[in-house]
Amino acid sequence: GQSLEQPSEVTAVEGAIVQINCTYQTSGFYGLSWYQQHDGGAPTFLSYNALDGLEETGRFSSFLSRSDSYGYLLLQELQMKDSASYFCAVREDYKLSFGAGTTVTVRA
Amino acid sequence: NAGVTQTPKFQVLKTGQSMTLQCAQDMNHNSMYWYRQDPGMGLRLIYYSASEGTTDKGEVPNGYNVSRLNKREFSLRLESAAPSQTSVYFCASSDRDRISTDTQYFGPGTRLTVL
Repeated sequence: GQSLEQPSEVTAVEGAIVQINCTYQTSGFYGLSWYQQHDGGAPTFLSYNALDGLEETGRFSSFLSRSDSYGYLLLQELQMKDSASYFCAVREDYKLSFGAGTTVTVRA
Repeated sequence: NAGVTQTPKFQVLKTGQSMTLQCAQDMNHNSMYWYRQDPGMGLRLIYYSASEGTTDKGEVPNGYNVSRLNKREFSLRLESAAPSQTSVYFCASSDRDRISTDTQYFGPGTRLTVL
């Protein structure tokens, strides 16, 4: 089976940088994904890392270390609209297993 | 393109009643998924269909059945609803043929309450 650990909550001010860590244990591993979910909405895809290293997409970056079974999502220049839940997910063949999510609250 | 659509958006059932949640995608994706999300938790996979004609159990399949009707449609059935099945249900699809990326597209969800 799979297990993923990520912090439950993070609070930061507008313009700040937030890093959400994710550690995982899985019997098979294809890659690590990140999804954003606003309250009451559907999850939306942010990034996917299949190989070690950093992937950058605008203000968001994601990192993976396969040897450490660890990844993180970096949110830069935080905006109020970034207040949401962020989920890491491990891809194992056709399936995704999600972490419990990190609630990010951005304060003015 | 509508993406992934789900019906109904809201549903209230009594214990023991049955119902089918409908899902359709117009992105020509091979893989489709059903998840449930309980308060304060991540999404848990109920069933998935890697391609038309195949279905497989996920993490929490008990109490559910699925049908991959065609490439576009994937339905989830509760034969005898229980209060423990009160949850938000999300359908998703992905194009698993693209090895370099892995994006699942989610529908808006069905909010189900079982009394």
